[in-house]
Parts: sequence; C-alpha cells; structure tokens
Amino acid sequence: EAGVAQSPRYKIIEKRQSVAFWCNPISGHATLYWYQQILGQGPKLLIQFQNNGVVDDSQLPKDRFSAERLKGVDSTLKIQPAKLEDSAVYLCATRTSGANVLTFGAGSRLTVL
Amino acid sequence: QKEVEQNSGPLSVPEGAIASLNCTYSDRGSQSFFWYRQYSGKSPELIMFIYSNGDKEDGRFTAQLNKASQYVSLLIRDSQPSDSATYLCAVTERSGTYKYIFGTGTRLKVLA
Repeated sequence: EAGVAQSPRYKIIEKRQSVAFWCNPISGHATLYWYQQILGQGPKLLIQFQNNGVVDDSQLPKDRFSAERLKGVDSTLKIQPAKLEDSAVYLCATRTSGANVLTFGAGSRLTVL
Repeated sequence: QKEVEQNSGPLSVPEGAIASLNCTYSDRGSQSFFWYRQYSGKSPELIMFIYSNGDKEDGRFTAQLNKASQYVSLLIRDSQPSDSATYLCAVTERSGTYKYIFGTGTRLKVLA
C-alpha cells in the first residue's frame, strides 16, 4: 500500500509569513494526526482527526495554527503568521481503524528566519 | 499534562552488546506502549508494541512492560552500528481516543 504523502518536504520563510502543509493519508485510514517535532525533542501532538472531525486540538496554538481535513481524506495544516519558534518538522501520521499503529509520512521541515 | 520520560542520552554501547533503553509514563491508565526508531533526518518507524505486562520478543528486540511501576523498556541484543538512531517511546491514553504521547527519545550510538 502507498504510504502517507506529505508536501512540501522543505520550506523556508521569514517570520510573520504564512505557510501551508499538505498530507494525503493511506487509503482507508480514518484517524489522522499532525505532530510538531522540534530538533532534539519528541513529536508533540498538534491535532487529531477522526474522519473529518476533530478529536483533540488541545495543543494547537489556535491564534496562528489551523488545520482541516476535507471529506475525511487529505489534510492541510496552516501557520499564519509564523514565528521563529515554529521552526520544526511537521509530521503527518495515520492510523487505521482496528489497528493500533501509527504510520508516519516523511515530514515537512520548516525553517523560519 | 500526561508525560512520557526518557533519558536523552547518548547511550553508547559496543557492537555486539545489549542496549537497554528505558521509558516511564505518568498516566497509570495508559493502554498501549510503542517503541519507534528515528534515524537522523527521517520520520519515526515502528519497531514494536506491547500491551500486557511482561516481555515481548521480536528478533533482536525485546520490549518489557511493568504497569505497576509505569515503566517500559526496550532491549536490543547483538547491537549493530545500523541500530544507531533515536528511540522514541510512545503511549496511548486510557480514554480510548488513540492519542499517542511521545517521549523525547534516547539517542543510541553503537560503536564498531
């Protein structure tokens, strides 16, 4: 089966600019996660979707971050305006119903200057 | 905030030795426990998971879970230089929402 696709792989922007990341999950995987991984740290959950509904967004900085999952398939994560501390890898992961394993995409590396 | 704690390392072991990686978690009701390996610049990949107290073996890897002590470990036998990576411990919450909480990871170096 095809893996979790993410784009872009790399993005460099200046602070206060905006950026969007896209994730296409494995077909049939109902649960989708966005994680932020800062260098030297473990992945931190930003938002969790079940189909197109939000299960948990308690750690999403809602004043600047937004995410949506249209039709319960693809998802986008947007940051506007970006801050220096947003420099990180943004990982999309999915989990299939009935299984208990996360599969990660390759990640999108953001550098904010 | 529920936490998963790991020693950041680096943990250095000689080739052929046993590497022992440890993880503690704060939520006594955590359901499932995972070990992921992450090579530098790559995304995490699952090594193994464990749900019940005791040991679970898969090739050179053994996961050990002690729910009473809120402790999970990963043993890597016959360590190889290719095992050099960061090992992430993850747990799911009691709520059944499949929220995965990750530790900061332990960096392992296997010396040839």
